[in-house]
Amino acid sequence: EAQVTQNPRYLITVTGKKLTVTCSQNMNHEYMSWYRQDPGLGLRQIYYSMNVEVTDKGDVPEGYKVSRKEKRNFPLILESPSPNQTSLYFCASRPELAGWYEQYFGPGTRLTVT
Amino acid sequence: AQKVTQAQTEISVVEKEDVTLDCVYETRDTTYYLFWYKQPPSGELVFLIRRNSFDEQNEISGRYSWNFQKSTSSFNFTITASQVVDSAVYFCALSDGETSGSRLTFGEGTQLTVNP
Repeated sequence: EAQVTQNPRYLITVTGKKLTVTCSQNMNHEYMSWYRQDPGLGLRQIYYSMNVEVTDKGDVPEGYKVSRKEKRNFPLILESPSPNQTSLYFCASRPELAGWYEQYFGPGTRLTVT
Repeated sequence: AQKVTQAQTEISVVEKEDVTLDCVYETRDTTYYLFWYKQPPSGELVFLIRRNSFDEQNEISGRYSWNFQKSTSSFNFTITASQVVDSAVYFCALSDGETSGSRLTFGEGTQLTVNP
């Protein structure tokens, strides 16, 4: 089954404790990205990647890191999480770089930072 | 810069009513793409429709229809004879054309509640 998977689905952590949210897609997609969803703000892009070893900032990159060492994986790293990073996070991929294609979203990761 | 506005934060209707979700966008690009996504209570994002800037034909899919008007920069979504299962958050989104890495800009979302 073609899909984007994220782990964990739920995470509660404390301020400053490094964490990684994994994202993997099995569709051989070029483009991958991370979004956060907050009430009243919709989804905002954090980082995106157009290919292996090619990543770039989205609209809200502060406090996050990403890497793209393999085409299928695009982990999101929070080196020192803070309470304002409490949010619902979505990983997404699409088959081509151009904006015509819809993005396929993972199931979401709900992160709480206390 | 792109912007998508969904002015209706919440809408509540009774089953079988028709409901329209508004979406207004801003972009300087002549080529762009508009999307609607549905987020049911389970939380996943479900793609509903895509429309490019050169195609202003309205589209109907079952009880769903979309009205794209470039003159007013709007891409409204109508659900006819709403059902309880239509209860969800609906997002309108805009992609800035055919450039590599073009991002998806989302509106704030509209929470639709359909009551039995």
